[in-house]
Amino acid sequence: AQTVTQSQPEMSVQEAETVTLSCTYDTSESDYYLFWYKQPPSRQMILVIRQEAYKQQNATENRFSVNFQKAAKSFSLKISDSQLGDAAMYFCAGGSEKLVFGKGTKLTVNP
Amino acid sequence: EPEVTQTPSHQVTQMGQEVILRCVPISNHLYFYWYRQILGQKVEFLVSFYNNEISEKSEIFDDQFSVERPDGSNFTLKIRSTKLEDSAMYFCASSQDRLLEAFFGQGTRLTVV
Repeated sequence: AQTVTQSQPEMSVQEAETVTLSCTYDTSESDYYLFWYKQPPSRQMILVIRQEAYKQQNATENRFSVNFQKAAKSFSLKISDSQLGDAAMYFCAGGSEKLVFGKGTKLTVNP
Repeated sequence: EPEVTQTPSHQVTQMGQEVILRCVPISNHLYFYWYRQILGQKVEFLVSFYNNEISEKSEIFDDQFSVERPDGSNFTLKIRSTKLEDSAMYFCASSQDRLLEAFFGQGTRLTVV
């Protein structure tokens, strides 16, 4: 991806509720991957979920799922049954080799 | 589970000094990357490395930066003469194939004083 945009600098959710983080991208590449990474205060980058662009089926990983709309170049992350440990920065990223990252969304989970 | 390891976790260096950040990628991975994240900002690509040579680099990766895979296991990033604005978290990543996910190390926090 040449550009990745996360329009929500901050989001909050109540524990056990569902939240959706938005991401749009722009690319001229035909083969690419899209990712969501979680970055807790330790600043480690943890892969949450990935989506191959050629696959129509949305990726899911336990409580995490994506809504991949290729024509709209949209790649949102849904977190179900939010837990306190989900609180972190979330980065959307995409590319075919090097990754381009969005600016991140800070997620707060309220007890 | 195999992981990318980076050393040191935190390095403080004086402006103008050379610094080497070290990474051990996952053993069967062929593609290696350095990214950096200035505090409060997004993660930025620096360089990718494949088949013992740089495959792509960003405009951030100027002549002050170099990468090396000296012994088939380590992958290093050298900054020749550090500047205050080089202070950042530096992430090493590796992947098995260019279209597969990159696994990130835990990062090295570089502070230039």
